[in-house]
Amino acid sequence: DAGVIQSPRHEVTEMGQEVTLRCKPISGHDYLFWYRQTMMRGLELLIYFNNNVPIDDSGMPEDRFSAKMPNASFSTLKIQPSEPRDSAVYFCASSLKTNTEAFFGQGTRLTVV
Amino acid sequence: QQQVKQSPQSLIVQKGGISIINCAYENTAFDYFPWYQQFPGKGPALLIAIRPDVSEKKEGRFTISFNKSAKQFSLHIMDSQPGDSATYFCAARKGGTSYGKLTFGQGTILTVHP
Repeated sequence: DAGVIQSPRHEVTEMGQEVTLRCKPISGHDYLFWYRQTMMRGLELLIYFNNNVPIDDSGMPEDRFSAKMPNASFSTLKIQPSEPRDSAVYFCASSLKTNTEAFFGQGTRLTVV
Repeated sequence: QQQVKQSPQSLIVQKGGISIINCAYENTAFDYFPWYQQFPGKGPALLIAIRPDVSEKKEGRFTISFNKSAKQFSLHIMDSQPGDSATYFCAARKGGTSYGKLTFGQGTILTVHP
């Protein structure tokens, strides 16, 4: 398996623009997680899905952030409008079951200027 | 509120030495404690994990020591190698939730000199 695939790897956008990050989980995995990594706050869970249904979005920082999982093989994290403080590395991870490890993708480095 | 505190922030060790990274947690509802390793430009990868019903777990050169009463756990890397140079994160999850719903420590940048 190719692992968790994220795209793009790098994104540079101007403040106020819409940004969409994409994730393809490992085939057959029931859980999908979106994390954000910054120097100041470290790794933080934003939202996670089970069988395509959002279970916990308490980590989503603001209404500007939204996430969807239209099917078992694809998820998006959208920021609209983007702000410089959204600059971070965003990771997607997936796991097979509740009590199995989560595998992380390589991340998307987002820079908002 | 930082629920998992990790120290030190950075660590320099000579090849062949022992690297020790410590974590402390506050929430007694945590029941799964993994350590993740992250190389530059890569995502975190599970290194080793422990549940609180055991006090130690060893996998090769990597050992987790767990002290439930003190709410502390640590990662020991024996015979440290330059290839171990990476950022290490401890983490914890609450019982009844997914193993992927993790609260991470702030990370430790480990440098192993040849």
